[in-house]
Amino acid sequence: EIVLTQSPATLSLSPGERATLSCRASQSVSSYLAWYQQKPGQAPRLLIYDASNRATGVPARFSGSGSGTDFTLTISSLETEDFAVYYCQQRSDWPPWTFGQGTKVEIK
Amino acid sequence: QVQLQESGPGLVKPSQTLSLTCTVSGVSISSGRYYWSWIRQSAEKGLEWIGRIYYTGGTNYNPSLRTRVAISGDTSKNQFSLELTSVTAADTAVYYCARGAGDTYGNHFDYWGRGTLVTVSS
Repeated sequence: EIVLTQSPATLSLSPGERATLSCRASQSVSSYLAWYQQKPGQAPRLLIYDASNRATGVPARFSGSGSGTDFTLTISSLETEDFAVYYCQQRSDWPPWTFGQGTKVEIK
Repeated sequence: QVQLQESGPGLVKPSQTLSLTCTVSGVSISSGRYYWSWIRQSAEKGLEWIGRIYYTGGTNYNPSLRTRVAISGDTSKNQFSLELTSVTAADTAVYYCARGAGDTYGNHFDYWGRGTLVTVSS
């Protein structure tokens, strides 16, 4: 089973700042990595799939990069609604597909 | 627009069977383009993929749950269901149904239900 490790656990930033979130896989997942955003009481929302493809309706300030074992989600300029928990998920090796433990982006 | 909605009991006794149904609207589960998964989330384990069903009726399960889980579909009602047997407190979680996109070997999840909390307790 592939383990995804996200860092940092918590990111404290102000609106307008740039956020950089990391996801590291225990073995290569090629480009088969997705990113999700989850707000309290809501289901996860797909942001990025296959490392760098934005899902439908996702603002351009969200971008994904990386391949192999190291991936990054970047939010270029944080909006108030972006403060949430972010998860990565791999679809390269299964079963099962696995998720990271999450990075919380909080208001500084 | 695509919507998924989970339904089922919010409280299950230990050793009993957890049963949930996901009703899908806006897309047919028999369209063949997508896969239909159950995913759960708990504070202890985080997000955990449980299993999926394809329109052919084919299923795949998380090896850690394989002996206790079954997923079935009802194309006439555009629903798919989860059964988890012999539950314990460790199965307490928010259960989500989700649509899987991608291919046979790998899915990401582009639409999710709102989730339903299932508590295992006597």
